[in-house]
Amino acid sequence: GAGVSQSPSNKVTEKGKDVELRCDPISGHTALYWYRQRLGQGLEFLIYFQGNSAPDKSGLPSDRFSAERTGESVSTLTIQRTQQEDSAVYLCASSLGLAGELAKNIQYFGAGTRLSVL
Amino acid sequence: AQSVTQLGSHVSVSEGALVLLRCNYSSSVPPYLFWYVQYPNQGLQLLLKYTSAATLVKGINGFEAEFKKSETSFHLTKPSAHMRDAAEYFCAVSGPGYNKLIFGAGTRLAVHP
Repeated sequence: GAGVSQSPSNKVTEKGKDVELRCDPISGHTALYWYRQRLGQGLEFLIYFQGNSAPDKSGLPSDRFSAERTGESVSTLTIQRTQQEDSAVYLCASSLGLAGELAKNIQYFGAGTRLSVL
Repeated sequence: AQSVTQLGSHVSVSEGALVLLRCNYSSSVPPYLFWYVQYPNQGLQLLLKYTSAATLVKGINGFEAEFKKSETSFHLTKPSAHMRDAAEYFCAVSGPGYNKLIFGAGTRLAVHP
């Protein structure tokens, strides 16, 4: 597609339920990133993929959070047993080249998924 | 380690006035610095970036930023604000070999007639 697409745009769930958030990167982009944006705060790095591998998972807040990427394309961020503190906007970004070359490879962001945990 | 501080979570200016959004960074390596803009219900869009070339960087929509190593700053400016500039602005830092951006908390810019 023309840009990074995320679905759903909004998700309301009950505490304790599992949720899956989807990201479709720009076609051909090898690197994919997930960030979390809590209300009134900046973006918090969660994880990035180079191809289908995730060399850096350091930002995942807990073992309730996991992510995968298949076909060097779509990525899914899964949150198990959601808690109220998981409420945030989850943003996905992709870049054309290697993640370690951010001087050359601009990150393009999707519009995000707004997650509300009741 | 890297970090970004954006001074002022909210800035309000009159249409036609100078826009100044402040960003200070901390980095243990020569930094790459970025400004992104987020319009309501949209993703972040890159305004400009500094990657060790010219210290004065010009971006889209008339914005520019100056890298000042001595002040560890990368403030964003625009000579004359437009109503359409109302948005949230994020400063971010990275560096050679780094695989992620470290973002500031953002500054919400309001432009009034």
